[in-house]
This record gives sequence, structure tokens and C-alpha cells, in this order.
Amino acid sequence: NAGVTQTPKFQVLKTGQSMTLQCAQDMNHNSMYWYRQDPGMGLRLIYYSASEGTTDKGEVPNGYNVSRLNKREFSLRLESAAPSQTSVYFCASSDRGQVDTQYFGPGTRLTVL
Amino acid sequence: EDQVTQSPEALRLQEGESSSLNCSYTVSGLRGLFWYRQDPGKGPEFLFTLYSAGEEKEKERLKATLTKKESFLHITAPKPEDSATYLCAVNTGANSKLTFGKGITLSVRP
Repeated sequence: NAGVTQTPKFQVLKTGQSMTLQCAQDMNHNSMYWYRQDPGMGLRLIYYSASEGTTDKGEVPNGYNVSRLNKREFSLRLESAAPSQTSVYFCASSDRGQVDTQYFGPGTRLTVL
Repeated sequence: EDQVTQSPEALRLQEGESSSLNCSYTVSGLRGLFWYRQDPGKGPEFLFTLYSAGEEKEKERLKATLTKKESFLHITAPKPEDSATYLCAVNTGANSKLTFGKGITLSVRP
């Protein structure tokens, strides 16, 4: 039981390049989330998917898109990366929405030059 | 606007020196308060969920308590392996979003 997995672990992009961060969970959870974590700031929600087939914006959605591919997988896409998107990205999942405990993946450290 | 404030920002303890970490919140209708531990370079690891004032939960050297305005994470006789950043988060249900504090970095010296 791997929990929440994320790929890649590290990535360096040039400004304007695109990439997709992958996330998968094997806990049969209904809800999935993408956060970013920056020094001196708390975790901030980018997008979330309350259930398969639905996605909603979080606190900082600009510059990102998401896809809930199926119940297990939730991807985050940067269409045209900017230096301001340099951050550590975490995926999380929960069984019954945001009142339920969220379980986090190991993170992707992204640097945009 | 929902706010979560954790204090102090950093705490250095000697091994065996008990202390408490504070998480104060200003929210409209608390539906759950969560404590996580985060080690450097890793994702947050779930510790506790508290739902109502007066509730307490324990795990090894950690004990979390909740009042109507704040939560405490008490660490009894800490060990160096307790060194980590401790995150507090609240869910109000008003907009179904989890609001995180900035975290408290705990360092325990042997």
C-alpha cells in the first residue's frame, strides 16, 4: 500500500516550458488535492477534485490546469512555466472531502529558471 | 477571512524538556482541526484530527488539545527524533477549504 505517489521528485524548467506533475493514490479515496509550499508561507491549495469527474479552483489556481483522469489519478499541468511557480508541490487525497483527513505525497520540487 | 496562526515560529528544546506548540485560529464554524508533522524534504504526515472543544488525542510523546480559539500540541520528554516542522490546519466548511498555518520548526538537542 504505497499511499499517495508523485512523479517526478525533482524538475528544472526554463521559463515558458510546459510540464505535467503526476499523482496517484491507492487508498480508494474520493477527493484529491494539489498544494504548493513556499518558504515562510503555509501550504496553499491550487486545485482540488471532490470526486471523480469534478475539479474546482483553490486559493492560487492561476497558471495551472488539472485533470482528474480516474479515481486514482490527478495531474497538475503548467502550460507556460514562470519563475514565480518555483515551489514544492504536494498532492493529497481524502476519503470524504475536506472535512476528512488528507494524506500527502512526498512532493515534487520544481525550479523554473 | 479564516486565519490560522502558529507560535512560536521556531522552538529549540533540550532532550527531555517538555513544551507546547500553539495554533490559534479565527474561523467561522470549525469543522475540524488537523495536526501534521513534516520532515525536511518530505510530505506532511498526519498526526491528529480534533473536532470539538475539549477533545484531546495522544500518540506516544504527543498530546493534542482543542479549545474554542486554539489548539495545543504538547510534547512530553521530547527526543531528537521529534525534531520536525509541525503544521496546523483548520477546515471550516464555509468554502470547503483547508487553511494551513505557517508551521513551527522544532529542534530537540541531545
